[in-house]
Amino acid sequence: RKEVEQDPGPFNVPEGATVAFNCTYSNSASQSFFWYRQDCRKEPKLLMSVYSSGNEDGRFTAQLNRASQYISLLIRDSKLSDSATYLCVGDTGGFKTIFGAGTRLFVKA
Amino acid sequence: EAGVVQSPRYKIIEKKQPVAFWCNPISGHNTLYWYLQNLGQGPELLIRYENEEAVDDSQLPKDRFSAERLKGVDSTLKIQPAELGDSAVYLCASSKGQGLYEQYFGPGTRLTVT
Repeated sequence: RKEVEQDPGPFNVPEGATVAFNCTYSNSASQSFFWYRQDCRKEPKLLMSVYSSGNEDGRFTAQLNRASQYISLLIRDSKLSDSATYLCVGDTGGFKTIFGAGTRLFVKA
Repeated sequence: EAGVVQSPRYKIIEKKQPVAFWCNPISGHNTLYWYLQNLGQGPELLIRYENEEAVDDSQLPKDRFSAERLKGVDSTLKIQPAELGDSAVYLCASSKGQGLYEQYFGPGTRLTVT
């Protein structure tokens, strides 16, 4: 089992839709989690950190479920510009960060 | 604030040739990472530096890959000799510290080995 797993998608949604991605992690000692966004042929860019209490940034909400060992990303009112690959990242409990393979999102007009 | 700088942006070499990539992290960031990213995959860690010390190089293929971070700032990643399977994007990232800190990526070097 991979340490960090994501559904590769693609998710095809219309503008204005709400879409959610999950990411599971295998190491119960993991402490820190992040969501990154990566556009085609570009570097990953930090989208948001994932806190135990959950956090929200505009249309984006991240949640952590330690009991089930997954993190989620919710995007409300999807925009065309949200089309990208979303990478989840977890640490292994020893400062080593592991990236998932990414979930591809296409938002259509 | 300047971001992570990498050069070159693109490199095409023949197999068995050497190649080197350079990275300048964000000022004040003590932790520097080198990743390899293949198409359709997430970045895979090659080596992590804390200042000038390589604290995790377990995923670095040491028979052909080497890295250094002299003076704890800039870093160089080298491959010698390159193989066809080394074609990928090599990403450098930096963070203020290990683990709980966000990482910021450079634009990457796209390597093609022919």
